[in-house]
Amino acid sequence: DAGVTQSPTHLIKTRGQQVTLRCSPKSGHDTVSWYQQALGQGPQFIFQYYEEEERQRGNFPDRFSGHQFPNYSSELNVNALLLGDSALYLCASSGGSGNTDTQYFGPGTRLTVL
Amino acid sequence: EDKVVQSPLSLVVHEGDTVTLNCSYEVTNFRSLLWYKQEKKAPTFLFMLTSSGIEKKSGRLSSILDKKELFSILNITATQTGDSAIYLCAVAGYNDYKLSFGAGTTVTVRA
Repeated sequence: DAGVTQSPTHLIKTRGQQVTLRCSPKSGHDTVSWYQQALGQGPQFIFQYYEEEERQRGNFPDRFSGHQFPNYSSELNVNALLLGDSALYLCASSGGSGNTDTQYFGPGTRLTVL
Repeated sequence: EDKVVQSPLSLVVHEGDTVTLNCSYEVTNFRSLLWYKQEKKAPTFLFMLTSSGIEKKSGRLSSILDKKELFSILNITATQTGDSAIYLCAVAGYNDYKLSFGAGTTVTVRA
């Protein structure tokens, strides 16, 4: 049973560039959430997608946008990158027949902005 | 806004010791509290505690929830070097889909 997968593993960008991160949920899950984890901090909620719609959004600027596809996979897009966007980006999936509160995390994408 | 505070920030123990991690929270209309273990990148799920389940145990790990005092404890007994990790506490409220995390407690177990 495949868990949550994310790509790429690492990414280096320069300020002002745009980036797209990808996530495939755990088998049987239909909900995808994205989190940003800065060094030494806990994950911060960016947004959650369900039925291809953004269901809830955290305190992140519009530069952060996302998408969910019919197969439940998801993308996170960040435009006009800032140095402060350097972080580990985690995708979590939930839903299906299990408890919807329990979110299962992928290995993350480490984004470095120079 | 939801608030989750974990203590201590970090601790170092020797194999065989018992570790107690604390998590206090403030959340509107509490629904659940979750513990995760983060070793390198992906946080892995440990426990979920709700109003109907205030104590959980799995092997050497156990957790309790005090809904009145708004805190949870994660205990690890007979620690092993493989228990070295960051332990994260998160809460969810009703009508809320997000998890709000604390900053985590870094546990280092020395042989």
